[in-house]
Amino acid sequence: GQNIDQPTEMTATEGAIVQINCTYQTSGFNGLFWYQQHAGEAPTFLSYNVLDGLEEKGRFSSFLSRSKGYSYLLLKELQMKDSASYLCAVDGAGSYQLTFGKGTKLSVIP
Amino acid sequence: EAGVAQSPRYKIIEKRQSVAFWCNPISGHATLYWYQQILGQGPKLLIQFQNNGVVDDSQLPKDRFSAERLKGVDSTLKIQPAKLEDSAVYLCASSSDRVRGYTFGSGTRLTVV
Repeated sequence: GQNIDQPTEMTATEGAIVQINCTYQTSGFNGLFWYQQHAGEAPTFLSYNVLDGLEEKGRFSSFLSRSKGYSYLLLKELQMKDSASYLCAVDGAGSYQLTFGKGTKLSVIP
Repeated sequence: EAGVAQSPRYKIIEKRQSVAFWCNPISGHATLYWYQQILGQGPKLLIQFQNNGVVDDSQLPKDRFSAERLKGVDSTLKIQPAKLEDSAVYLCASSSDRVRGYTFGSGTRLTVV
């Protein structure tokens, strides 16, 4: 089975840095994705990690530790438009198929 | 490239009625998925197609849900009869390879009253 855990809600201030954690227990592992989902919209791809370490892409970075079953998404220089839900998803064993966590709702305040 | 197209955008039906959703994936994407997203939760996989064959439908409530992907392109998801707990957003996604992830459609928001 698959178990993916992330905080339900977080609040951060505009211009600050926030880290959203994700822990997972899965029967297999091929990679981990982060998606952003604004209210009422479809999820959009942010990042993909296969190997341990940090992947940086502009203001967003994602980290993976396969041995610890842990990932985080780091958002720098927060903007109001970053208010959204952030979904952690694991590509487990077998056919290419993502299992999603429940998402973390991030609110950015002035 | 054009995105994943879904219709309708919104649907309101009474319980016990039937409803169908349509999805047209990105051209050339062999893999197509239907996910159900209940408010405040992450998407949950209902069914996965590879071309026109079913790869995984283990989480599809087959007593009321059905899906098909004729000719390996567009797909329909049907619910018959609908229950109140089926109220959710139904997301279609397609993919060409693991590295690029999924591309999601805008979804169909279903309300069962």
